[in-house]
Amino acid sequence: NAGVTQTPKFQVLKTGQSMTLQCAQDMNHNSMYWYRQDPGMGLRLIYYSASEGTTDKGEVPNGYNVSRLNKREFSLRLESAAPSQTSVYFCASSGQGYSNQPQHFGDGTRLSIL
Amino acid sequence: GENVEQHPSTLSVQEGDSAVIKCTYSDSASNYFPWYKQELGKRPQLIIDIRSNVGEKKDQRIAVTLNKTAKHFSLHITETQPEDSAVYFCAATENTGTASKLTFGTGTRLQVTL
Repeated sequence: NAGVTQTPKFQVLKTGQSMTLQCAQDMNHNSMYWYRQDPGMGLRLIYYSASEGTTDKGEVPNGYNVSRLNKREFSLRLESAAPSQTSVYFCASSGQGYSNQPQHFGDGTRLSIL
Repeated sequence: GENVEQHPSTLSVQEGDSAVIKCTYSDSASNYFPWYKQELGKRPQLIIDIRSNVGEKKDQRIAVTLNKTAKHFSLHITETQPEDSAVYFCAATENTGTASKLTFGTGTRLQVTL
């Protein structure tokens, strides 16, 4: 039981390049989330998916898109990377979005954009 | 939307002393308050949580208190040990009707010195 798995763990991009961050959970959770973590700013929600087939914007969605591929997988795409998107990205999942179940985090993807 | 403020940003205590971290939130409808511990380079991990129908919760050396009227909640760590050194994040849930979105505080770096 791996929990929440994120790939890749590290990535360096050039400005303007695109890439997709992958996230998969094996806990049969309904809800999934993408956060970014910057020094001194805690974790900020980018997008979330309350259930398979739905996605919604969080606090900082600009420059990102998401896809809830199935119940297990939730990907985050940067279409044209910018230096301001240099950050650590965390995926999380929870059992039932509306009933306040704990969120479980993956190990993160450390993304640098030059 | 929800706004969570966390204090202090850094906290240094001697081994064996107690540590207290305080958070305030803005949305009176928030009803779930988790605390996460994040060691350097690692994922945030849930250490304790409290729901709005409870005023206090304990788990060994860790306790959380909630004052709904004042809209603040606190983390208490007693008999601190070097392995308690980490960054601690509080969070509050904003219910959207379809999902629970966590809003995080900016974190407290706790250092336990020998």
